[in-house]
Amino acid sequence: GQNIDQPTEMTATEGAIVQINCTYQTSGFNGLFWYQQHAGEAPTFLSYNVLDGLEEKGRFSSFLSRSKGYSYLLLKELQMKDSASYLCAGVDSNYQLIWGAGTKLIIKP
Amino acid sequence: GAVVSQHPSWVICKSGTSVKIECRSLDFQATTMFWYRQFPKQSLMLMATSNEGSKATYEQGVEKDKFLINHASLTLSTLTVTSAHPEDSSFYICSARLAEFGELFFGEGSRLTVL
Repeated sequence: GQNIDQPTEMTATEGAIVQINCTYQTSGFNGLFWYQQHAGEAPTFLSYNVLDGLEEKGRFSSFLSRSKGYSYLLLKELQMKDSASYLCAGVDSNYQLIWGAGTKLIIKP
Repeated sequence: GAVVSQHPSWVICKSGTSVKIECRSLDFQATTMFWYRQFPKQSLMLMATSNEGSKATYEQGVEKDKFLINHASLTLSTLTVTSAHPEDSSFYICSARLAEFGELFFGEGSRLTVL
């Protein structure tokens, strides 16, 4: 079956760095998305990886290892506004998104 | 980026009534739109894939007669929750993508409360 695993909740300190991991099992693979979702709001796009390696975009970076079925989202210089849920979604061979349950990130002062 | 607008943002209705939620792609044509439901503290659950000019494809366990989806044009898809009950209270979100494969753009979401 298809499955996306990510931690349920993480806590980090303002100004620090946090890494949110995601492992995936999909029927075929056409990339992996990361979305940010604040409570009560719709998700917003953060990143898309389809090739191995690290992609940096400001304070946020996303990494993919296709051979390991693994991705992570790295958040640097954490700010209080980064408190949100982070959703990992894999794209299968039919270009359908398989969603993880999301990781709730709590930032403490 | 592309804009997807969803309306209404909030709706409160009595049990047994029907509620329609609209999803519009404002600056692009979306041949495919997606409808999700999200219960508190849970992830997005795909309900159905809405295809312009054809019937929607529903996910397993989603009642197509209860959740009516119409995709009449390339910029509008509607979700109608028929005979709503309190257990249908949820956050409903639509999304669309520019090309057959690409970034998803989400609507603002519609919070439905059924009394």
